[in-house]
Formats: sequence, C-alpha cells, structure tokens
Amino acid sequence: RKEVEQDPGPFNVPEGATVAFNCTYSNSASQSFFWYRQDCRKEPKLLMSVYSSGNEDGRFTAQLNRASQYISLLIRDSKLSDSATYLCVVNPNTGNQFYFGTGTSLTVIP
Amino acid sequence: GAVVSQHPSRVICKSGTSVKIECRSLDFQATTMFWYRQFPKQSLMLMATSNEGSKATYEQGVEKDKFLINHASLTLSTLTVTSAHPEDSSFYICSAQREFYEQYFGPGTRLTVT
Repeated sequence: RKEVEQDPGPFNVPEGATVAFNCTYSNSASQSFFWYRQDCRKEPKLLMSVYSSGNEDGRFTAQLNRASQYISLLIRDSKLSDSATYLCVVNPNTGNQFYFGTGTSLTVIP
Repeated sequence: GAVVSQHPSRVICKSGTSVKIECRSLDFQATTMFWYRQFPKQSLMLMATSNEGSKATYEQGVEKDKFLINHASLTLSTLTVTSAHPEDSSFYICSAQREFYEQYFGPGTRLTVT
C-alpha cells in the first residue's frame, strides 16, 4: 500500500463550482499534513498546512480525519486560476521523511 | 517570506560534462533541504535529503557518486550532476524545510543533456 494516495483525476468543473479532493495516508502516527499546488512546469507552492482542527483560507478549506486517515481540500467558488495539480504531502514524523501523493489534476472550465 | 531560489533555471550541457545546481533559502535558515526530480506528467521523486554540515541521505536507487550534494551553510545546498547523460535530463527541484515541517520549493532547474 502506498504511503499517500490521491485520486489523480482529472477533475473538470465549471467556474463557480465547489470541488473537493481527498488524500489517504497509511501511517496512523503521521502528524503533519500539507496541500501544495503545482502549475504545469512550475515548482509546487504551499497552499495550506492542515491542522487537527481544520483550517480555512478564503475559498479553501482543509480538514483532517484521523479516524479514517485522510485529509481533504475543499475549493469553493472555483476560479479559472485554480486550475492546477494539487499535491497532498504527509510527514510521518519519523525524521525528515515526506510522502507526496501523485497529485490531483483540476481544470476549471469557463 | 519563505523564498527559495535555484540557479540556473535552465541548462543545456553535453553528455559527459558536470552541472552544478544551487539552491538557496533567501529569508530563512534551513538545516534541511531536499532535492527532487520530476519527469513530465509524473510526480516529484525525492532524490536525497541534505543536512547542513553532514552527508546527504540518498534515496534507494539514486547514485550518490553521480549526484553529489553539498550543504555547506544554512542557506545553501548544491547538487552536482556528474558525467551527465541524456537520461539525466529532467526537472530538478529543491526545497528547504522551515519550522513545522513546511517545505518551500525553489523554482526548479530544467536540465537538458545533449
């Protein structure tokens, strides 16, 4: 089983739609979770850290479900500029190891 | 804040030559930096973890004698691709770790070996 798994998509949604991505992780002791966004041929950029209590930043909401071992990212009122690949990253807190999901591709359609 | 630079952004070299890529954290100190490689339409692949003042830790399958990593200061790590071959052509990205395990990525270096 992979350390981190994401649905690769692609997700094609109309502008203004709400879209949600999930990411499952295998190590129940994992403590640090992140969502990154990566545009084509660019480096990943940190979108949000995911806290136990969940966190919100504008149209973006991240949540952690420890019981089911997944994190989620919700994007409300999608914009064309949200089109990108969204990467889930988990640190199992065993040193400096990080596990990346393969990414979920989102295309927002006008 | 949390800016990471990489240099060069793009390099074309001939087979058999060596290429050095620099990764700098501009506004914070990073005891740990990471080097990744990414092929088109594939996910990031961790090559090695670079710790300031100590030897890098390489992932399985990554040749340490081919990909030389030096992390001489808290703001600079370098990756040298030695005796480059066309199959080494890829997008190389570094990241620097800040507090709370947050990683900030450099803009990447696109290497083409002819």
